[in-house]
Amino acid sequence: SQQGEEDPQALSIQEGENATMNCSYKTSINNLQWYRQNSGRGLVHLILIRSNEREKHSGRLRVTLDTSKKSSSLLITASRAADTASYFCATGYQKVTFGTGTKLQVIP
Amino acid sequence: SQTIHQWPATLVQPVGSPLSLECTVEGTSNPNLYWYRQAAGRGLQLLFYSVGIGQISSEVPQNLSASRPQDRQFILSSKKLLLSDSGFYLCAWTGGDSQGTPYFGPGTRLLVL
Repeated sequence: SQQGEEDPQALSIQEGENATMNCSYKTSINNLQWYRQNSGRGLVHLILIRSNEREKHSGRLRVTLDTSKKSSSLLITASRAADTASYFCATGYQKVTFGTGTKLQVIP
Repeated sequence: SQTIHQWPATLVQPVGSPLSLECTVEGTSNPNLYWYRQAAGRGLQLLFYSVGIGQISSEVPQNLSASRPQDRQFILSSKKLLLSDSGFYLCAWTGGDSQGTPYFGPGTRLLVL
């Protein structure tokens, strides 16, 4: 079964706008990770946030983690057409499971 | 640096035929290895993971099996493919330098006709 679920399932925005995706998970975690997948390709690791961190930045990416609510969010600022992809959260150490993904479309 | 290989990239097989997909990792030792399947437009489903040679954990009952004959080699197999086995199969590794972050291979797209 899936550990996490992303919300929304699909998101369409104009280039330059911000995109926010959310992930909820079920069990306690050591860390949470976000990945991007371009259509028909493998997954690319974006960012890892540890359970004792509340926020982390990497370039135009901002990830927050609320362990009390078992949720995380990924914010992409000033989106570009090249950000069009599916985004997944993942949790677990030996057994790493992924959420259902958010399909982001950035319209030029 | 570490690299992960998967082959073939694309495979078209008839129903009832056998399957063997191979994944190898270079540049690390004692990795945890994973097989995931992704149906078209869907999320990733964890199929198998392995923490060592000969140690396989199966996540879902299915028509597939996995083996780890060597430390850095992970094989996904089937004796008789079903139509429902079609999908995108991804191998990943964690451990060593990855600090628990799964790194993925390029994937194999399997179409069963």
